[in-house]
Amino acid sequence: GQQLNQSPQSMFIQEGEDVSMNCTSSSIFNTWLWYKQDPGEGPVLLIALYKAGELTSNGRLTAQFGITRKDSFLNISASIPSDVGIYFCAGSNAGNMLTFGGGTRLMVKP
Amino acid sequence: SAVISQKPSRDICQRGTSLTIQCQVDSQVTMMFWYRQQPGQSLTLIATANQGSEATYESGFVIDKFPISRPNLTFSTLTVSNMSPEDSSIYLCSVGISGRYEQYFGPGTRLTVT
Repeated sequence: GQQLNQSPQSMFIQEGEDVSMNCTSSSIFNTWLWYKQDPGEGPVLLIALYKAGELTSNGRLTAQFGITRKDSFLNISASIPSDVGIYFCAGSNAGNMLTFGGGTRLMVKP
Repeated sequence: SAVISQKPSRDICQRGTSLTIQCQVDSQVTMMFWYRQQPGQSLTLIATANQGSEATYESGFVIDKFPISRPNLTFSTLTVSNMSPEDSSIYLCSVGISGRYEQYFGPGTRLTVT
């Protein structure tokens, strides 16, 4: 089925660095969601965005709902080791149905 | 949000057998979903579990292979039938709350088929 284009696919971070990832779609969505999945766990909802242009923060996380309704980005400021994991974007239009991105795997630089 | 539990958390099964995964929610929810997550991949929706009626399956998934029950608003089961090694995945249930767009996920069931 349809999948959102999420980039980068993976990235290495050093503690203290800011991180940015984004998600694009060929169709519009009414809601954009960002999830984080730790190894052996289910995805946990980080941020939900409901309006085009909306900028929402959750601690060190900031996400924006693109004005065209076809994209969203997530920023993590001053990364810490526990930020490591897989981040998924998801778009939704109705009936709680979600379309997921391919995920961004965040890893720590050795 | 809702608290969601899944049983079993993991299992190793033999080819040709079936496994039933349970999903329990701590409150009544309108929508329940089942996903598959193959190793290193994103989430793929298997079906929407409908209370009191047959589940709605996505393209590529059939009831004979993945029968689903939803006897009430807090519980659902997914059976993976006649398993093959290709069925080795994480199976996740999720719930949606009426009037909201987001879903909340259980911890997943990690299935390995040998």
